Amino acid sequence: NAGVTQTPKFQVLKTGQSMTLQCAQDMNHEYMSWYRQDPGMGLRLIHYSVGAGITDQGEVPNGYNVSRSTTEDFPLRLLSAAPSQTSVYFCASSYTGKDEQFFGPGTRLTVL
Amino acid sequence: KQEVTQIPAALSVPEGENLVLNCSFTDSAIYNLQWFRQDPGKGLTSLLLIQSSQREQTSGRLNASLDKSSGRSTLYIAASQPGDSATYLCAEATSGSRLTFGEGTQLTVNP
Repeated sequence: NAGVTQTPKFQVLKTGQSMTLQCAQDMNHEYMSWYRQDPGMGLRLIHYSVGAGITDQGEVPNGYNVSRSTTEDFPLRLLSAAPSQTSVYFCASSYTGKDEQFFGPGTRLTVL
Repeated sequence: KQEVTQIPAALSVPEGENLVLNCSFTDSAIYNLQWFRQDPGKGLTSLLLIQSSQREQTSGRLNASLDKSSGRSTLYIAASQPGDSATYLCAEATSGSRLTFGEGTQLTVNP
């Protein structure tokens, strides 16, 4: 099992550009989520999904879109990047959301 | 709003010492509490998960406890080693299965 994988590891964008952060898991987990980690703010939930076709907003959803067309993949889209979205992004998955959650290695994003 | 607080923010100990990291949470409707380790520039590694019906969990030199009535969890590390140096995060899972994280305790174990 590869576990939770994320691509790319690093990315630099200019303000206004769009991009998609990829997340995939091979553990047949139903629950997947995206967090961002910022100094002094800790990890905050952006969006989450309890299964294919179902997504919901977390604590800081503005500026981000998600979709869940398959169990394995949960991409995060930045529609028009802003410097405030400079952060480290982590994807996580678990069987139900009420059990152990596994995190990917993260994507470090800089928006200039 | 749910809040998770970790004390201390940083801790430096000599090798071999036993230590306790503290985590407090405000939402009593907790599903579980999970402890993670994060090395600099890396992702989160799950250490221990305590379900709301449990009082403690053990893995090797690590022991985590949960007291729902007081809103507290502790992570006990026995016989600390330099390789234990990292940031330790606790996270509370509540309604919606969402994790609320503390800001972490940065642990340094000196040889």
